[in-house]
Amino acid sequence: EVVMTQSPATLSVSPGERATLSCRASQSVYSNLAWYQQKPGQAPRLVIYDASTRATGIPDRFSGSGSGTEFTLTISSLQSEDLAVYCCHQYNYWPPDTFGQGTKLEIK
Amino acid sequence: QVQLQESGPGLVKPSETLSLTCSVSGGSINHYYWTWIRQPPGKGLEWIGYIYSSGTTSYNPSLKSRVTISIDTSKNQLSLNLSSVTAADTAVYYCVRGLRQYPRPFEYWGQGTLVTVSS
Repeated sequence: EVVMTQSPATLSVSPGERATLSCRASQSVYSNLAWYQQKPGQAPRLVIYDASTRATGIPDRFSGSGSGTEFTLTISSLQSEDLAVYCCHQYNYWPPDTFGQGTKLEIK
Repeated sequence: QVQLQESGPGLVKPSETLSLTCSVSGGSINHYYWTWIRQPPGKGLEWIGYIYSSGTTSYNPSLKSRVTISIDTSKNQLSLNLSSVTAADTAVYYCVRGLRQYPRPFEYWGQGTLVTVSS
């Protein structure tokens, strides 16, 4: 099973600033990686897939990069509505798909 | 717009079987992959397994001996059965559809239903 490790566990960023979230896989998952946004009390929402493709309806301030074992989700100019937990998901080796434990993004 | 709605008992006793149904509306259940994912309170997501509309299934090896996912295309519904539950199975259970005709990543999510295992 591929282990996904996210850092930091909590990130505090001021509105308008850049937020950078990291995800590391225990072995190469190539570009088979997605990011999800989960707001309090809601289901996750697909943000990025195939490491760098924005999902439908996702603002262009969200971008994904990386391949292999190191991945990054960047929010270029943080908005208050971006407060959420973000988790990564590898779908190269399955079963099972595996997820990171999440990074909680706080607004400073 | 595809909508998914989970339903079932919110409380299950230890050693019994957890049974949930997912109703699909706004689109066909055919030619898609349907997945169950769960999230224990305050914890991360865990992939349980998927079923294709033809009935083909894939399960998480850690749960495989206890999990059955089935589909009723005539009712636009899928079901999850998890036997011999313990407190560790307490979680929000999500019904999910993959992106386009692929099993993952996960584009459409139900709102989730909390199942508590307790006597």
